Amino acid sequence: EIVMTQSPATLSVSPGKRATLSCRASQSVSSNLAWYQQKPGQAPRLVIYGASTRATGIPARFSGSGSGTEFTLTISSLQSEDFAVYYCQQYNKWPTFGPGTKVDIK
Amino acid sequence: EVQLVESGGGLVQPGRSLRLSCVASGFTFDDYAMHWVRQAPGKGLEWVSGISWNSGSRDYADSVKGRFTISRENAKKSLYLQMNSLRPEDTALYYCAKSLQWLVVNDAFDIWGQGTMVTVSS
Repeated sequence: EIVMTQSPATLSVSPGKRATLSCRASQSVSSNLAWYQQKPGQAPRLVIYGASTRATGIPARFSGSGSGTEFTLTISSLQSEDFAVYYCQQYNKWPTFGPGTKVDIK
Repeated sequence: EVQLVESGGGLVQPGRSLRLSCVASGFTFDDYAMHWVRQAPGKGLEWVSGISWNSGSRDYADSVKGRFTISRENAKKSLYLQMNSLRPEDTALYYCAKSLQWLVVNDAFDIWGQGTMVTVSS
């Protein structure tokens, strides 16, 4: 099983500032990495797939980078609707998720 | 509208069984792998099981292997999860989710249902 880790567990950011979230895989997953956003009481929403491709309807302030074992999700200028929990997921083999990073208001 | 609707959750005693269903609409169900993902109260996401478009490939998380069985009926645009020998640690919101790409099994999930809650307790 590929184990995914995320850091930090919680990120406090002021609206309008940049947020940088990290995800690491226990072995290479190539670019088979997705990011999801989840708000309370809602299902997860796909944000990024293929490590760097924005999903349909996702604003350009979201960007993903990385390959192999190290990945980053960047939100360039946080809006109120972006405060949520973000999960990374590898799908190089049967999928596994990271534990999540909560982005909250500073 | 592309949609997934789960049903079948509820309160069940440890050791008993439950069958979850997920009905799809708005896309060609036959062309996509499907998955079950669960989320225990206040916890993160855990992939449970996945099945290829033609049922030829299935896999399970170690935590449910031997107890849960995934299946699908393409004619009914339906996905199922048969859960046997349920344990308290199986208590979670169970989501069904669609693979992003046509015919690809190991993939990102672009469509999610709203989930059905399973509570295992005596």
